[in-house]
Amino acid sequence: GAGVSQSPRYKVAKRGQDVALRCDPISGHVSLFWYQQALGQGPEFLTYFQNEAQLDKSGLPSDRFFAERPEGSVSTLKIQRTQQEDSAVYLCASSSGPSGSVYEQYFGPGTRLTVT
Amino acid sequence: RKEVEQDPGPFNVPEGATVAFNCTYSNSASQSFFWYRQDCRKEPKLLMSVYSSGNEDGRFTAQLNRASQYISLLIRDSKLSDSATYLCVVFRGQAGTALIFGKGTTLSVSS
Repeated sequence: GAGVSQSPRYKVAKRGQDVALRCDPISGHVSLFWYQQALGQGPEFLTYFQNEAQLDKSGLPSDRFFAERPEGSVSTLKIQRTQQEDSAVYLCASSSGPSGSVYEQYFGPGTRLTVT
Repeated sequence: RKEVEQDPGPFNVPEGATVAFNCTYSNSASQSFFWYRQDCRKEPKLLMSVYSSGNEDGRFTAQLNRASQYISLLIRDSKLSDSATYLCVVFRGQAGTALIFGKGTTLSVSS
């Protein structure tokens, strides 16, 4: 079946531009996570949705980062006024159960953001 | 100090070798533990869960020592296709919502 998809796969933005990254989770998956992976590092948690509710945004690095999942399916991560330190791969993952329980997270291919 | 620590490597081994990766975690309340595999420029994929009693999946054996807060992964009879980055992952459970990843250990298997 279809896995998690993300678009665009690659994005080059000039410093100061706004970007929007899209995630299509596996159909029916309740939980959706965004992670940021810098070069040579493991993924780091940004935010979590259970259906349309954003239950945890403790990992968002600044108020320039905003995420939404208005209908409990597709999610968008928006970064305003991008900075060079925002350059990273942004990974989306979904799982079938609510967080707090152990359900396998399935990752999308990521969006590689380069800020010049 | 990072919550999950791994030796980044790289580990360069010949085909057929046995290689072991270690990982430590700092949060004693952590509930579940995993090894994920990440190929170059690809997304992480679950390799195996790690149980206190130790568990095996083919050539892969994972061990957990809760008292020492230590996790290991042993790969026997290494194949070229095992070349990847292996991420040690901890799930906090009720105390947090997300997976906590180590930096990863890079393995390169050569013929």
